[in-house]
Amino acid sequence: GDSVTQMEGPVTLSEEAFLTINCTYTATGYPSLFWYVQYPGEGLQLLLKATKADDKGSNKGFEATYRKETTSFHLEKGSVQVSDSAVYFCALSEKSTGRRALTFGSGTRLQVQP
Amino acid sequence: DTAVSQTPKYLVTQMGNDKSIKCEQNLGHDTMYWYKQDSKKFLKIMFSYNNKELIINETVPNRFSPKSPDKAHLNLHINSLELGDSAVYFCASSLSGRGDTQYFGPGTRLTVL
Repeated sequence: GDSVTQMEGPVTLSEEAFLTINCTYTATGYPSLFWYVQYPGEGLQLLLKATKADDKGSNKGFEATYRKETTSFHLEKGSVQVSDSAVYFCALSEKSTGRRALTFGSGTRLQVQP
Repeated sequence: DTAVSQTPKYLVTQMGNDKSIKCEQNLGHDTMYWYKQDSKKFLKIMFSYNNKELIINETVPNRFSPKSPDKAHLNLHINSLELGDSAVYFCASSLSGRGDTQYFGPGTRLTVL
C-alpha cells in the first residue's frame, strides 16, 4: 500500500537557518503530494502541494519539488523564523485509484530558537 | 467565515458513554473525511463520504458510526467509549476533480477517563 516516510524530529534550528525536512513516498500510481503544517493547538493547514513530477510547490518561503525518480518531496526554507515552529506533515493522495484519503507521514516537529 | 467547523472542540467523558462529534463545511465540497490523530501525532483516515455515500471505511471498530445527512455535514457517533479512543479527531473536506486538496477543521480533542 501507499506510505510516506519523514525524517524523525524534533528539528531544532536557530532563527535564519536553512531548513530541510526529508520526505519520501511509496505509491502504486501517480500521487499528488502535500505538505501540511500544524501549529500548537490548531488544526492542519495546507502549506503547499504538487500534482505531477517536477512540479514545485511554494508558499510563505517554503518550497518542495516533486521528484519521481527519487520518490521524494523534501521541504525547504532558506531562512526560518520563530513563528515557523510547528509540526510538518508530508502526505500523498492517490488519484489513480480514486481513493481520495490522504496518507500521512509521521510528522516532523520544528523548533526555531531566537 | 469558518470553512470547516467541528463541535465540540474538547470532549471529556467516562468509559462506556456514547458521544457525537459534528462537522460542517461551507466550501461547497462533495467529499468529507474523518481522521484520527493519536498521542504521537500520527494521522490516519477513518472514513470518507462522497455525496453522502460512504467510500472509505478503514478498519475502525463498529462502535464508530459516521452519518452524513447532507453533503455539507459529516457527524461521528461513538458508542461504548474506551480509553484507547482518546485522541484528536479531525474532519476534512475536498472537491473531487480539483487536485484533491483537503481542508481541515480545528479538531476535537476527546479524552476518555
